[in-house]
Amino acid sequence: EPEVTQTPSHQVTQMGQEVILRCVPISNHLYFYWYRQILGQKVEFLVSFYNNEISEKSEIFDDQFSVERPDGSNFTLKIRSTKLEDSAMYFCASDRFSYEQYFGPGTRLTVT
Amino acid sequence: KQEVTQIPAALSVPEGENLVLNCSFTDSAIYNLQWFRQDPGKGLTSLLLIQSSQREQTSGRLNASLDKSSGRSTLYIAASQPGDSATYLCAALTQGGSEKLVFGKGTKLTVNP
Repeated sequence: EPEVTQTPSHQVTQMGQEVILRCVPISNHLYFYWYRQILGQKVEFLVSFYNNEISEKSEIFDDQFSVERPDGSNFTLKIRSTKLEDSAMYFCASDRFSYEQYFGPGTRLTVT
Repeated sequence: KQEVTQIPAALSVPEGENLVLNCSFTDSAIYNLQWFRQDPGKGLTSLLLIQSSQREQTSGRLNASLDKSSGRSTLYIAASQPGDSATYLCAALTQGGSEKLVFGKGTKLTVNP
C-alpha cells in the first residue's frame, strides 16, 4: 500500500541553523501539507500546497518557513533560522482529492 | 474558527471492555471528520473517515459516528485489547475552502491485561 515517507526521522540542530525536512508524498496525490506537534500539544496545521504554490498557511508559518516541491516526488519544508520553540514533530501529509489526508511518520526536530 | 475538543484526556480500562471516546467540534459546517491513532513518538495512522453526509463508519472493532447538528463524533471500540493502547485523535475538515485539518488534543487510552 502506498505511503508517505519522511526523512530524517530525527534531526538535531543548533539554534540559528537552517534545516530542511523532506517528504515523499503518495505518487498520484495532488495536495500536500505540513503540520507540527509540539510535545504534549495538539497537531497544528502549518501550510498546504497545490499546483506548485501555497494554497493556505497558518499564522505560525512566517517568513522563517518555506516549502518547495523541487521535483516530481519530493516536498520539503525549510526553516531558515531555527529557534528553540521550533522543536517539535513535523508531519507531512498528502491527499489526492482534498478530502482525506494521509500522514507520514514524522520528523522529530530538536533545536539545542 | 473551528475548535475540536476531546474528552476524556485519558482513559484506563481492563481488557475486553467496550469503550467510547468523544470528540466535539464548534463549527458544524464540516466536510468530514477523521479519527487517527498515534503511538508514542510515532506518526498518525488514519482509522476512520466520516463524510458529512454519513452518520457512521465501521472498521473491524471500531465504529465512528457523526452528529453534525450537535457537533459531536464518537469512536466506539469493542472488546478492547492491550494493543489498542495509544492516543486517539479526531480532526475536522471544515467547509468553506479551508484545507486544514483541525485536531483535538487526543484521548490517551490504556488497556490493561
